[in-house]
Amino acid sequence: EVQLVESGGGLVQPGGSLRLSCAASGFTFSNYAMDWVRQAPGKGLEYVSSISSNGGSTYFSNSVKGRFTISRDNSKNTLYLQMGSLRTDDMAVYYCGRLNGETDYWGQGTLVTVSS
Amino acid sequence: QPVLTQSSSASASLGSSVKLTCILSSGHNTYIIAWHQQQPGKAPRFLMKVEDSGSYNKGSGVPDRFSGSSSGADRYLTISNLQSEDEADYYCETWDSNTRVFGTGTKVTVL
Repeated sequence: EVQLVESGGGLVQPGGSLRLSCAASGFTFSNYAMDWVRQAPGKGLEYVSSISSNGGSTYFSNSVKGRFTISRDNSKNTLYLQMGSLRTDDMAVYYCGRLNGETDYWGQGTLVTVSS
Repeated sequence: QPVLTQSSSASASLGSSVKLTCILSSGHNTYIIAWHQQQPGKAPRFLMKVEDSGSYNKGSGVPDRFSGSSSGADRYLTISNLQSEDEADYYCETWDSNTRVFGTGTKVTVL
């Protein structure tokens, strides 16, 4: 059974940093690209970032480019999102997803709250 | 990059059918899209991908009541024999070489 479990969310002040993790199981992690998608309270889904299966290619939405980095450790079956210079409009539930062209599996999400 | 357009809401009676539409922007009418369901308070769930040919492939465990189709730039999700648990937000998604895009979502209400 494919499982994606996010962690690392919490309360952070504006301008602060946070690292999210996504632990994957039930499939060969190194064979799949992965992504992060977020959802602000009461809003729709917003693409954040994606990474190729070997980590060699990374992509970001314009809203986070230059502030966030994405990485993965295929030996640990784990995806990361390092978030910096956080703003109040980054506050959201962050989901990791497995990419098979489409996002075919989603994690349960982790909440990031940006507030002073 | 592509843009996806969805109606904000739809409603239908218990046991009836509802057809949701996701419209691809000009120049992107051959793109594959995916449909996702998000029940209240839950994470999204992949339902299916729909190709421009109209063929569709569903995710694991998705009931037979859910089907997909296509016409030109329009991609459809049809839910037959609507159940109370189908009351949810439905998002379409597409992608190209370096980005992914989501529609704004359609809220389905079961009357």
